[in-house]
Amino acid sequence: RKEVEQDPGPFNVPEGATVAFNCTYSNSASQSFFWYRQDCRKEPKLLMSVYSSGNEDGRFTAQLNRASQYISLLIRDSKLSDSATYLCVVMRVHGGRRALTFGSGTRLQVQP
Amino acid sequence: ETGVTQSPTHLIKTRGQQVTLRCSSQSGHNTVSWYQQALGQGPQFIFQYYREEENGRGNFPPRFSGLQFPNYSSELNVNALELDDSALYLCASSLGWGRGLGGPQETQYFGPGTRLLVL
Repeated sequence: RKEVEQDPGPFNVPEGATVAFNCTYSNSASQSFFWYRQDCRKEPKLLMSVYSSGNEDGRFTAQLNRASQYISLLIRDSKLSDSATYLCVVMRVHGGRRALTFGSGTRLQVQP
Repeated sequence: ETGVTQSPTHLIKTRGQQVTLRCSSQSGHNTVSWYQQALGQGPQFIFQYYREEENGRGNFPPRFSGLQFPNYSSELNVNALELDDSALYLCASSLGWGRGLGGPQETQYFGPGTRLLVL
């Protein structure tokens, strides 16, 4: 079983739609969580950190459920420019060293 | 732009050769991490350097090695290249140890990557 699992998609949605991605992680010692966005043939870029209380940044809302070990990302009012791959990232500290684990990504295609 | 640069942008090598990839971290960042991203996969952690010392390693064989220099730039060396080493190699810099996990100091900023093709 992969440490971080995501539905690869693709999710094809019309402009203006609301779309949600989930991600599950297997290591209960995971301590920090992030969503990164990666455009085709580009480097990943931080979209947002995910906090236990949930957090929102404009049209994007991230939630963390530690009991069920999953993280979600909600995108409201989708734009064409939201088309990208969304990577779920989990970080844990082990022996003073940090390990960052990426999911394989969920591809989103927003259609006009 | 993140201020993280990598060179070269593209590289073609043959099996058995050796390769060195370079990364310049964002100004003030003392931690550099290297990742391998195969097509259709998420980045896989290779190792991390903090103030010139290796500070964590993923499941990669010893033929993957690295260095960090006093100016915090870094190199990734891969010996005895195999076909499966073909991938996008990303480096990411961060401020290093922060006061709290998940804080801004933990954020990793990625460079544009080096695309390596092994024939």
